[in-house]
Amino acid sequence: AQSVTQLGSHVSVSEGALVLLRCNYSSSVPPYLFWYVQYPNQGLQLLLKYTTGATLVKGINGFEAEFKKSETSFHLTKPSAHMSDAAEYFCAVKPSSGGYQKVTFGIGTKLQVIP
Amino acid sequence: DAGVIQSPRHEVTEMGQEVTLRCKPISGHNSLFWYRQTMMRGLELLIYFNNNVPIDDSGMPEDRFSAKMPNASFSTLKIQPSEPRDSAVYFCASSDGQGNQPQHFGDGTRLSIL
Repeated sequence: AQSVTQLGSHVSVSEGALVLLRCNYSSSVPPYLFWYVQYPNQGLQLLLKYTTGATLVKGINGFEAEFKKSETSFHLTKPSAHMSDAAEYFCAVKPSSGGYQKVTFGIGTKLQVIP
Repeated sequence: DAGVIQSPRHEVTEMGQEVTLRCKPISGHNSLFWYRQTMMRGLELLIYFNNNVPIDDSGMPEDRFSAKMPNASFSTLKIQPSEPRDSAVYFCASSDGQGNQPQHFGDGTRLSIL
């Protein structure tokens, strides 16, 4: 069984401040991990993913995330928030074992950027 | 490259009517997913197709929901009869089937059942 926990359904930051969105997961096998962003009236768009290799993953729009196995975490960060970052962010986990594996999405975190 | 294309973008209909949602996956992708998104329940997987064959339909709410994938470039999700509680945003997503590849989402169909 696998699960994803996103701490904080709403996060507010000032423009130019650090963005930190938290994601913890549980998985019985090593996971693949994803962050998606959803803008209003749009579908989910991939920000970045971790599969294997380097644990610090860089994505689009200046976001990055670090896979920490010991903490079962995959937190999303951006050094300086921009107004255009206001959106909902979803963390997702998928077991890396073979065959059909379901992706489990977190409940999402809405990011508000205050001018 | 064209992404996942869904139609219609918005649908408003009365309770009891049949609703058909359509999806064209990304060319070359062999996995297709239908999701439903609501405020209360978040993003729920309804059904997953691989190579046009339904593999996991455990998320389909009840017999009023059905999905088909007659070929690699087209899928439908049908609700008959529709009920107000079916109101949600329905997303279609596709991927190339490799385990570490992400899903690519369409822009969704916002369905309102009156």
